[in-house]
Amino acid sequence: QKEVEQNSGPLSVPEGAIASLNCTYSDRGSQSFFWYRQYSGKSPELIMFIYSNGDKEDGRFTAQLNKASQYVSLLIRDSQPSDSATYLCAVIGGYQKVTFGTGTKLQVIP
Amino acid sequence: DAGVTQSPTHLIKTRGQQVTLRCSPKSGHDTVSWYQQALGQGPQFIFQYYEEEERQRGNFPDRFSGHQFPNYSSELNVNALLLGDSALYLCASSPGQNNSPLHFGNGTRLTVT
Repeated sequence: QKEVEQNSGPLSVPEGAIASLNCTYSDRGSQSFFWYRQYSGKSPELIMFIYSNGDKEDGRFTAQLNKASQYVSLLIRDSQPSDSATYLCAVIGGYQKVTFGTGTKLQVIP
Repeated sequence: DAGVTQSPTHLIKTRGQQVTLRCSPKSGHDTVSWYQQALGQGPQFIFQYYEEEERQRGNFPDRFSGHQFPNYSSELNVNALLLGDSALYLCASSPGQNNSPLHFGNGTRLTVT
């Protein structure tokens, strides 16, 4: 079992729709969870972080965390073509090690 | 306020050679982590430096080594390069507090021929 799992996609959504990106993790001791956006050929850019169970909203982005189910998700409302990128889930587990998933490629269709 | 800076941007090396990549952390950050990202994959953790010492290491061979200087900048060295070492090498910095998010530099694209 991979430490952090994501569906590689591509996930295609029409412009203006809600994009839902999911991530599961194996280390129950994980404390912190991050979503990064990575455009092709560029470095990852931090979008959201969440530490507690529940939802956290920032503009069009909402991060959701369920530690009991070891599940974290990212919702993007009113998706725009500029949101087309790969979204990486990252988890801080034991000894402060940050582990990334393989990323989900999102395509927003105009 | 400068973010994380990496040099060089691109590098082409021959199999068997050695390479050194450099990173300056974001102002106020004292922890530097290095990642290797192959095409289509997520970043893979190489190692992390804090207070000039390697604090953690991922599943990379000893050919990968590093260093952190008193000003918190860091180097990644790779010896005896293999074709499979071709990748984007990312440096990320974070403040000393636990559970802080990583801030990435623009990366160094290494091609081994």
